[in-house]
Amino acid sequence: NAGVTQTPKFQVLKTGQSMTLQCAQDMNHNSMYWYRQDPGMGLRLIYYSASEGTTDKGEVPNGYNVSRLNKREFSLRLESAAPSQTSVYFCASSPLAASKNIQYFGAGTRLSVL
Amino acid sequence: AQSVAQPEDQVNVAEGNPLTVKCTYSVSGNPYLFWYVQYPNRGLQFLLKYITGDNLVKGSYGFEAEFNKSQTSFHLKKPSALVSDSALYFCASGSGNTGKLIFGQGTTLQVKP
Repeated sequence: NAGVTQTPKFQVLKTGQSMTLQCAQDMNHNSMYWYRQDPGMGLRLIYYSASEGTTDKGEVPNGYNVSRLNKREFSLRLESAAPSQTSVYFCASSPLAASKNIQYFGAGTRLSVL
Repeated sequence: AQSVAQPEDQVNVAEGNPLTVKCTYSVSGNPYLFWYVQYPNRGLQFLLKYITGDNLVKGSYGFEAEFNKSQTSFHLKKPSALVSDSALYFCASGSGNTGKLIFGQGTTLQVKP
């Protein structure tokens, strides 16, 4: 079982460049999430998708867009990267959009914006 | 506003000694509480959760946590620490049916031989 797969694992961007972080899950989960992890701040929710065809903003959505391409895939796009977006990005999935459900995490994408 | 606090950035404990990693929460309604662990360069892994019922929850790798409603706490415990328990631990809380979780800032557990 692959679980939640994120690509790429590492990325270096210049300020103003764009990129898309990819996430796919093979657990037939309905809900998917994008978080960023910064030292001393824990994980903060960027966007989430409760089910295929829906997306909603989380705590820190500015500067990001998302696409729920199908039930398996949920991508995160940075249109014009800024140094403040240097972070580790995690994708997660859960069976349903219920807060009592366990979330399963990918290994992360480490992004540096110069 | 909902929040989760982990008051210690780092906890140091000797192998074989009991360990406690603290967590307090502030949520409206009945809270769902979780502990996750993160090993270096890895994603978060689920350890245990409290939804309802018995206040003492047992999880993976010998960890347990006690839900204390009056103190709004959900401390993670283990009777005898292992060097391999050294990692970053996150407490998280959610409520309702949004699927959204609020994470604490994380506590680094260092277990020394």
